[in-house]
Amino acid sequence: ETGVTQTPRHLVMGMTNKKSLKCEQHLGHNAMYWYKQSAKKPLELMFVYNFKEQTENNSVPSRFSPECPNSSHLFLHLHTLQPEDSALYLCASSQENTPARKDTQYFGPGTRLTVL
Amino acid sequence: GDSVTQMEGPVTLSEEAFLTINCTYTATGYPSLFWYVQYPGEGLQLLLKATKADDKGSNKGFEATYRKETTSFHLEKGSVQVSDSAVYFCALADTGNQFYFGTGTSLTVIP
Repeated sequence: ETGVTQTPRHLVMGMTNKKSLKCEQHLGHNAMYWYKQSAKKPLELMFVYNFKEQTENNSVPSRFSPECPNSSHLFLHLHTLQPEDSALYLCASSQENTPARKDTQYFGPGTRLTVL
Repeated sequence: GDSVTQMEGPVTLSEEAFLTINCTYTATGYPSLFWYVQYPGEGLQLLLKATKADDKGSNKGFEATYRKETTSFHLEKGSVQVSDSAVYFCALADTGNQFYFGTGTSLTVIP
């Protein structure tokens, strides 16, 4: 049990659909992250939230829109995706995301996204 | 910039064989180092970590020692089991709490 849950576990969508991925952490952490994992590539950090404020956006296309209503929940809203966006999307959390810290990140099981 | 380089797989071993997965890093500060494991169909799980030079992280028979002089954090296990089959990721967290992951090494252990 990692303490980080993600729903749905699998998602198939067309390029014109709008869907959302949900992440919830039960660890009392204040930082949450979205990563994209594609085959044979390093994990790509997409977004970072610290105390509900977005602190990092790694040049992610606007068709991905994050939302962090509170420290325990993180969403990734998807619209007009492309087939190359098919990947495993991982959510993670850590105690904080501030310059002086090097906290362990705890991951959810991921959402396997397929864009047709 | 910071980065992690780990040996490419896939690695295939027989049960009870010795495992080494090499990991080297480049960092501007004094990073913390991690090994994560990803079992099929699951997310990444923390396997072990070390926060300063000469620290040894260990868990479930796996070990890795933080070697500052060689900028390495190689993962070892003396006797692997079929259940160890997974993808292993080396990672570092540097000042600013940014995580950098390696590309992952796939391990298959055959009976």
